[in-house]
Amino acid sequence: GDSVTQMEGPVTLSEEAFLTINCTYTATGYPSLFWYVQYPGEGLQLLLKATKADDKGSNKGFEATYRKETTSFHLEKGSVQVSDSAVYFCALSDSYGTASKLTFGTGTRLQVTL
Amino acid sequence: KAGVTQTPRYLIKTRGQQVTLSCSPISGHRSVSWYQQTPGQGLQFLFEYFSETQRNKGNFPGRFSGRQFSNSRSEMNVSTLELGDSALYLCASSYLKRTSGDYNEQFFGPGTRLTVL
Repeated sequence: GDSVTQMEGPVTLSEEAFLTINCTYTATGYPSLFWYVQYPGEGLQLLLKATKADDKGSNKGFEATYRKETTSFHLEKGSVQVSDSAVYFCALSDSYGTASKLTFGTGTRLQVTL
Repeated sequence: KAGVTQTPRYLIKTRGQQVTLSCSPISGHRSVSWYQQTPGQGLQFLFEYFSETQRNKGNFPGRFSGRQFSNSRSEMNVSTLELGDSALYLCASSYLKRTSGDYNEQFFGPGTRLTVL
């Protein structure tokens, strides 16, 4: 079945550092890929998405490119802020029929310090 | 536009009891999905409802059930609670598009945190 693997956390960075959170996936067909963010005590928020190969999703300074050849969707940000501290989830959605079912990675906790 | 609301936000039950959680989707959204989030298993898909019909189901025992009403509000029920059912239960709604290949973005509620003692 479909699966998502993302790097273990926590990731601890100083403010203004460069962020990369790795994500790879296994899926049949052509899934859509997402990054969701969860702030303490809250539900999930969609951060960015890409629906086909070579698409780049971007939002709030975060970017991720759908790489079909490496089955990857790594999250990057050039300069993190303390307010970016949260848990980040990589996810995929089957593009055929069951488009509302998301398969998530285990999440990566990001801690940004001053 | 109001977001997805879930009630109650916190719940404490004892083993063997049953519980019902409620989810009100964003107005106009007809698809509602439920997820369980635990530290050990992460986020796992429970089931999805569309137009009062269960469209998809995850790998959970029959103690977990759900339903959707004509106004798209959804409830999930867990019977004979076990300690391992302690989790954050998240509901997500989406406006289901008909075009093949279009992604139906899911909007998540804040969750209901269930503690089983």
